Amino acid sequence: DAKTTQPTSMDCAEGRAANLPCNHSTISGNEYVYWYRQIHSQGPQYIIHGLKNNETNEMASLIITEDRKSSTLILPHATLRDTAVYYCIVRAAGASGTYKYIFGTGTRLKVLA
Amino acid sequence: EAQVTQNPRYLITVTGKKLTVTCSQNMNHEYMSWYRQDPGLGLRQIYYSMNVEVTDKGDVPEGYKVSRKEKRNFPLILESPSPNQTSLYFCASSPRTGNYNEQFFGPGTRLTVL
Repeated sequence: DAKTTQPTSMDCAEGRAANLPCNHSTISGNEYVYWYRQIHSQGPQYIIHGLKNNETNEMASLIITEDRKSSTLILPHATLRDTAVYYCIVRAAGASGTYKYIFGTGTRLKVLA
Repeated sequence: EAQVTQNPRYLITVTGKKLTVTCSQNMNHEYMSWYRQDPGLGLRQIYYSMNVEVTDKGDVPEGYKVSRKEKRNFPLILESPSPNQTSLYFCASSPRTGNYNEQFFGPGTRLTVL
């Protein structure tokens, strides 16, 4: 099963872009990369996902390298409310074609005023 | 309002006393899952279910049981809780169909086993 590696913590100035990296060097061809974030001890919140192509939505952009071994989540204009733990997840196929989710350790992003 | 609910939100119990944490979703989702979260370890998946009567082990299933008799409910059962099961637990659900499987998480249940 593909595992992910993320930096433990990062700081970002308010209004600047936050770039959060994730390594998933053992990812296989049919596994998606998902990003979630968790504010305090609330339930995690979905941000974005992708397979091969770069993706963008109203919250963030996801850049996936051509070899798919790493990705970067970009918050274009970070605000104080973006302070959270960000999880990079690879969706793995389990028994009988089912899917389990493997969370990384997450990156604690602190947005500074 | 579309949501995942968990009960109880907080629970303090003693070793060996059976307990059940309930999880319910009102979005008609096929996929449901349980996670535990411990400091320094992130979220780890305990069990998941692709549909009624279909369950599978996640990464840390030992000491837990689940059942999926109805689509909307996915209770987590601790037959004989131990202190190492003290944790923050999250239930999640998502639609099964298609490649897009955003998970919706519940508010969490903080369990302390003495």
